[in-house]
Amino acid sequence: GIQVEQSPPDLILQEGANSTLRCNFSDSVNNLQWFHQNPWGQLINLFYIPSGTKQNGRLSATTVATERYSLLYISSSQTTDSGVYFCAVAGWDSNSGYALNFGKGTSLLVTP
Amino acid sequence: SAVISQKPSRDICQRGTSLTIQCQVDSQVTMMFWYRQQPGQSLTLIATANQGSEATYESGFVIDKFPISRPNLTFSTLTVSNMSPEDSSIYLCSVLGLAATRTVDTQYFGPGTRLTVL
Repeated sequence: GIQVEQSPPDLILQEGANSTLRCNFSDSVNNLQWFHQNPWGQLINLFYIPSGTKQNGRLSATTVATERYSLLYISSSQTTDSGVYFCAVAGWDSNSGYALNFGKGTSLLVTP
Repeated sequence: SAVISQKPSRDICQRGTSLTIQCQVDSQVTMMFWYRQQPGQSLTLIATANQGSEATYESGFVIDKFPISRPNLTFSTLTVSNMSPEDSSIYLCSVLGLAATRTVDTQYFGPGTRLTVL
């Protein structure tokens, strides 16, 4: 399957700071999503972004498919942004069909 | 947003027993998946639950250990059989696309089932 690498693995920010999370992937994809897993374990969709740029409030994401990476930007961070951010990608495999593969995540802690 | 529910939300089980987890979606979906998240780890795909046919398992997962049923387009079950402490994980149901959100390419996750095996 497609390999997904996320960086940094851990990040501590003070409230109000900005950050950039990176996701590198090993092959062409037709699906790329960013998720936030809150401290209660719920996975929340942030973006479906196989290419291009999207923005949603303080969050934005950019995927450069030709260079096989995606970036998630968090601006003016808040304590509620704490949790784990996952990048997940999928391509169509002739043997196994569709499968969304997850990176190891970036664990973010925002302190007051 | 559309609702994906799982039962039970958590359970503590004894070694050697089996647990069946249910996943209910409030609209028909074509593709449903089961994932495992071991403590402090990322998500790993167990299998794709196919309606009316046998599930498609990923490498490292077998039907005898994780039998899956998918009787219709809104419901699936995952059984964790002959459990050992290594099976302690969060098990998540997931679907691709939801009518309520008018998306076909976004994958959504249920709240998960936290399983502890003693």
